[in-house]
Amino acid sequence: SYELTQPPSVSVSPGQTARITCSGDALPKKYAYWYQQKSGQAPVLVIDEDSKRPSGIPERFSGSSSGTMATLTISGAQVEDEADYYCYSTDSSGNHWVFGGGTKLTVV
Amino acid sequence: EVQLVESGGGLVKPGGSLRLSCAASGFPFSKAYMNWVRQAPGKGLEWVGRIKTKTDGGTIDYAAPVKGRFTISRDDSKNTLYLQMNSLKTEDTAVYYCITMASFWGQGTLVTVSS
Repeated sequence: SYELTQPPSVSVSPGQTARITCSGDALPKKYAYWYQQKSGQAPVLVIDEDSKRPSGIPERFSGSSSGTMATLTISGAQVEDEADYYCYSTDSSGNHWVFGGGTKLTVV
Repeated sequence: EVQLVESGGGLVKPGGSLRLSCAASGFPFSKAYMNWVRQAPGKGLEWVGRIKTKTDGGTIDYAAPVKGRFTISRDDSKNTLYLQMNSLKTEDTAVYYCITMASFWGQGTLVTVSS
């Protein structure tokens, strides 16, 4: 079955740039979506269709995709950005969706 | 305003059944692909399955761990999505969310499978 691979954890200091990667064989042809999930809350979409930022998401969040890797970048990470981040995409058929294993971002 | 409200969660014994509902409002439900996603306690997100619109054939796809046990359906006249869960296992214990258009999630409903 199709898999998306993320690093389990990323740690940065406040104000630094955090980059979270997501690798998958179908990503050259399929969009990646990124979710932020804070403890006890439902996930929130922070990046739509590889690089689109939904309304209300701070400009420091950006997304890109190249080849088999999608990247979520948080420029000037803030303490309130500490959360779990998940990438989400579909296999090459477009019929089976999958989440990455999640990356715990620590900003300290 | 888009709203998705799940209901029907609860405690069930292994081997039992449960039906979840997701009441949708604020968008043209009949034109939307709908998904179920779950999250076991302390674990990551897991896609459960998706149902297409009737216009697009109403095709349903499932994740491997639930295929053959879970059934997704929709009632466009009631703007409601369903998840029928049979032969439940302890590993099905999770918060179940309905989602659409990637952006919109319900608040989730907890399903606990335990003897």
